[in-house]
Amino acid sequence: GQQVMQIPQYQHVQEGEDFTTYCNSSTTLSNIQWYKQRPGGHPVFLIQLVKSGEVKKQKRLTFQFGEAKKNSSLHITATQTTDVGTYFCAGRAGNQFYFGTGTSLTVIP
Amino acid sequence: EAQVTQNPRYLITVTGKKLTVTCSQNMNHEYMSWYRQDPGLGLRQIYYSMNVEVTDKGDVPEGYKVSRKEKRNFPLILESPSPNQTSLYFCASGNLREQYFGPGTRLTVT
Repeated sequence: GQQVMQIPQYQHVQEGEDFTTYCNSSTTLSNIQWYKQRPGGHPVFLIQLVKSGEVKKQKRLTFQFGEAKKNSSLHITATQTTDVGTYFCAGRAGNQFYFGTGTSLTVIP
Repeated sequence: EAQVTQNPRYLITVTGKKLTVTCSQNMNHEYMSWYRQDPGLGLRQIYYSMNVEVTDKGDVPEGYKVSRKEKRNFPLILESPSPNQTSLYFCASGNLREQYFGPGTRLTVT
């Protein structure tokens, strides 16, 4: 069945370092969304990517959607302590969503 | 305030005792969905609904039922809960571009 893999599972960085999480789907996706979940909280929508090769930026966050629409990445430049949390990708196929396993980011001050 | 609400937030129950987790949204969204979150597995979609009276199975529907009689409500029903349904459950509403999640319901089945 449909699978969305996400790596790494955990990442510890010093404040100011960059961070990247990668998402790979076993099949082509209609779109991909990214969510952030703070510890003890619920997932919060960050962005949606639709087009092949699309790149979007939100301040220090850069999101990419692969040419084949099967992979995506989230890159954070110069991490801050407010970036702590788990980042999930969610691929849409038809009317269903397939979430990655998430990358838990710890930022050491 | 635009929000998705879930009740209860915490529930401890015993095997076989039917339970319902309610979900309500005030944003007039057509798409609603239930997910379960387990360590190392991320969020997995249980059921989703495209609109009133339209529901479909997600990735892990076994042991769950849903209904969508009104646009704002999308309850999750466990007819005979089992310990492997112990999990953190999230309701979400939105569309096929973005979803808004409720605060979560932590369910323990003993």
